Amino acid sequence: EDQVTQSPEALRLQEGESSSLNCSYTVSGLRGLFWYRQDPGKGPEFLFTLYSAGEEKEKERLKATLTKKESFLHITAPKPEDSATYLCAVRDYGQNFVFGPGTRLSVLP
Amino acid sequence: KAGVTQTPRYLIKTRGQQVTLSCSPISGHRSVSWYQQTPGQGLQFLFEYFSETQRNKGNFPGRFSGRQFSNSRSEMNVSTLELGDSALYLCASSFPGQGVHEQYFGPGTRLTVT
Repeated sequence: EDQVTQSPEALRLQEGESSSLNCSYTVSGLRGLFWYRQDPGKGPEFLFTLYSAGEEKEKERLKATLTKKESFLHITAPKPEDSATYLCAVRDYGQNFVFGPGTRLSVLP
Repeated sequence: KAGVTQTPRYLIKTRGQQVTLSCSPISGHRSVSWYQQTPGQGLQFLFEYFSETQRNKGNFPGRFSGRQFSNSRSEMNVSTLELGDSALYLCASSFPGQGVHEQYFGPGTRLTVT
């Protein structure tokens, strides 16, 4: 059975303090790993798709990387508007989509 | 391009009643998935439809059902509502075809069961 865990559960950063979020996964056959951002009361917003180990993608202050067992979302010089819950999900060859529990990020001014 | 839309946005129902939620995917998207999100369980997969056929189903009781129409719009139904069904119900659509495609989510329907 596919499993996705994320750490830490919650993270508080000062504005400008860079850090990384972790997503560890166990999947029978990885077709893709996805990162989403979710603001309170809203649907998740798509950020990145990663397909194979070694792949990296960047968008503004965010950079996602992928290894065979985990993915990292690096946040460089975060701003208060980056505060949100960040979700990781995997899709396997059976077309199953499994989400992790998320990391709640708070960036203080 | 318009995003995924869900109606209604908020709903209050009484235990034992049934409810129908609606989802319109992004134009051109033919795959629609439904999720239940609660503070304790996170995002849990309900089912996925593609070309009017259920392609995958999560581990939910038979009270939860869905369907997809020829225009790719989808509905999900929950019968005999229980207090534990209170949640944010999210619909997501994706582009069909080969390869792996990300899902785009709607704003959700907040269901409260009293």
